[in-house]
Amino acid sequence: DARVTQTPRDKVTEMGQEVTMRCQPILGHNTVFWYRQTMMQGLELLAYFRNRAPLDDSGMPKDRFSAEMPDATLATLKIQPSEPRDSAVYFCASGPAGDSSYGYTFGSGTRLTVV
Amino acid sequence: AQKVTQAQTEISVVEKEDVTLDCVYETRDTTYYLFWYKQPPSGELVFLIRRNSFDEQNEISGRYSWNFQKSTSSFNFTITASQVVDSAVYFCALSVGRGSTLGRLYFGRGTQLTVWP
Repeated sequence: DARVTQTPRDKVTEMGQEVTMRCQPILGHNTVFWYRQTMMQGLELLAYFRNRAPLDDSGMPKDRFSAEMPDATLATLKIQPSEPRDSAVYFCASGPAGDSSYGYTFGSGTRLTVV
Repeated sequence: AQKVTQAQTEISVVEKEDVTLDCVYETRDTTYYLFWYKQPPSGELVFLIRRNSFDEQNEISGRYSWNFQKSTSSFNFTITASQVVDSAVYFCALSVGRGSTLGRLYFGRGTQLTVWP
């Protein structure tokens, strides 16, 4: 089965450090999402891309977060500087172009802990 | 604006019982998709089903069935003869648009289902 690959799986970092999370979408998928999951807020959209162009990043704190797709096989989410309130699970998901019955496929997530 | 409400925060059942998870959605778009995802204790989000707004036929897949009713803006999920392995958080989600304009997912807060042996 095709998978969305996220790295790292777990990350513990100190407040103020830069964090980079990576996502490899499924080959051929042209839509990529970044979601954050916390107990308080549930699943929140941070950013999404179609054909590598950002469509919506209004859910992202612009002063410290940035999302990019350097190429079709890699999406990155960076936090600089990180803060304890950024502790969460970050999911990447990808979806195919056009209509499909398969929905979006999520990666296993990156569990971020900022101490 | 789009919104998904899952009023049941937690449900507990005993194995072999049937259980229904409720989902109510809001949108003014006439073209939209509804989804269910499962998040087991391991944490990944597993896609279960997608329905489009033009197809109100109920869907059955093994022990899982989905009831889509536009009249009540609901897309409920029933597990028949529940099993311990069904224990997970279940999310309902909504997306508007179609094809190449298919947009973001709006998630409900999820329902924690616990199935006891």
